[in-house]
Amino acid sequence: AQSVTQLGSHVSVSEGALVLLRCNYSSSVPPYLFWYVQYPNQGLQLLLKYTSAATLVKGINGFEAEFKKSETSFHLTKPSAHMSDAAEYFCAVTYSGGYQKVTFGTGTKLQVIP
Amino acid sequence: GAVVSQHPSWVICKSGTSVKIECRSLDFQATTMFWYRQFPKQSLMLMATSNEGSKATYEQGVEKDKFLINHASLTLSTLTVTSAHPEDSSFYICSARVGGPGEQYFGPGTRLTVT
Repeated sequence: AQSVTQLGSHVSVSEGALVLLRCNYSSSVPPYLFWYVQYPNQGLQLLLKYTSAATLVKGINGFEAEFKKSETSFHLTKPSAHMSDAAEYFCAVTYSGGYQKVTFGTGTKLQVIP
Repeated sequence: GAVVSQHPSWVICKSGTSVKIECRSLDFQATTMFWYRQFPKQSLMLMATSNEGSKATYEQGVEKDKFLINHASLTLSTLTVTSAHPEDSSFYICSARVGGPGEQYFGPGTRLTVT
């Protein structure tokens, strides 16, 4: 079975500050991990993905995430928050074989304070 | 990039009626599409996997007779909520599988309100 846990349903940062959104995964096989962003009343957009290549993954809009197997983590970071980053962020996990069902975390709502 | 559209974006219907939601891949062919349901301030719950030309695979606990899924072509999947009730009110999102495992392009979602 696979699962992801996102710590903190709400995160507030000041504009220009570091963004850190936490995600821990559980998977019995090597995982593929994703971060998606959702703006109000919209579908999800892929930010970045880890598929067993480089452990530090760079995505769109200046976001990046590091896969740490020893910590079973895939935290999302951005050095400097922008007002346009305010949205809901979902961590997700799947694996390379079989049914490839994607399991999403419960989401973290990022608020950026001017 | 790949674009997935949904129609309608918002629908209000009366209890007991049926509603059809369309999911289209606009510039690519999607052999596999997914239907999710999202409750307010919650994550996405996978309802079913829709494969072109075959029956959908429903997740445990999802009523297949209530949520009818049809994937008749490589660019269109439909979700019909039959005999809708207020508890069916939710945000329904479809996605299409592209690229590697887990990679999906999502539609903008359809907000269903049953009165």
